[in-house]
Amino acid sequence: GESVGLHLPTLSVQEGDNSIINCAYSNSASDYFIWYKQESGKGPQFIIDIRSNMDKRQGQRVTVLLNKTVKHLSLQIAATQPGDSAVYFCAENNVGGKLIFGQGTELSVKP
Amino acid sequence: ETGVTQTPRHLVMGMTNKKSLKCEQHLGHNAMYWYKQSAKKPLELMFVYNFKEQTENNSVPSRFSPECPNSSHLFLHLHTLQPEDSALYLCASSQDPWEPSGGGTDTQYFGPGTRLTVL
Repeated sequence: GESVGLHLPTLSVQEGDNSIINCAYSNSASDYFIWYKQESGKGPQFIIDIRSNMDKRQGQRVTVLLNKTVKHLSLQIAATQPGDSAVYFCAENNVGGKLIFGQGTELSVKP
Repeated sequence: ETGVTQTPRHLVMGMTNKKSLKCEQHLGHNAMYWYKQSAKKPLELMFVYNFKEQTENNSVPSRFSPECPNSSHLFLHLHTLQPEDSALYLCASSQDPWEPSGGGTDTQYFGPGTRLTVL
């Protein structure tokens, strides 16, 4: 079946270190992927997206990598800051046109 | 702020009450969405409206009734809810209309949500 999931429910990193959050998807026909950040008490906030014709895209302090061979998506956050503490969701646009969300990884940044 | 507002932010209601959730987007977008977010579960799409017309009802019980009077406002009317309906209800909007047949890949911008508790 189609599903999007994250490898780890929680991730703890030291302030200043790089963070890597992973996501696996099962639908090889998906052509668009998004990472969202959700802070406590707030709705999901768009971070970065990538289309299936790309394998890497960079934003400000964030990089998304797409490996279509193994159906794997990752979000890299450089120099992680306390303000990066949140739950991170990946989402996949499947052939039905719906965004399918993963369960999320909670990132905690230790000072 | 994402340009999508929701009211109220918190709502407690009994199973016999009738209440409404409101969403407003200030982005000039053409599509609006209702999602349900339960604890430890992924976001679940409930309804989609393109240009004020409902294009998706994701098998949502009839005790949830959406209304979209114009492309900037979206309501979710609630009646005779169950305790298992307690969740965070999120509204989102996107510039491009959502396409049920696929290809709709426009980014969705979310509001802060309404935390609903049904007693």
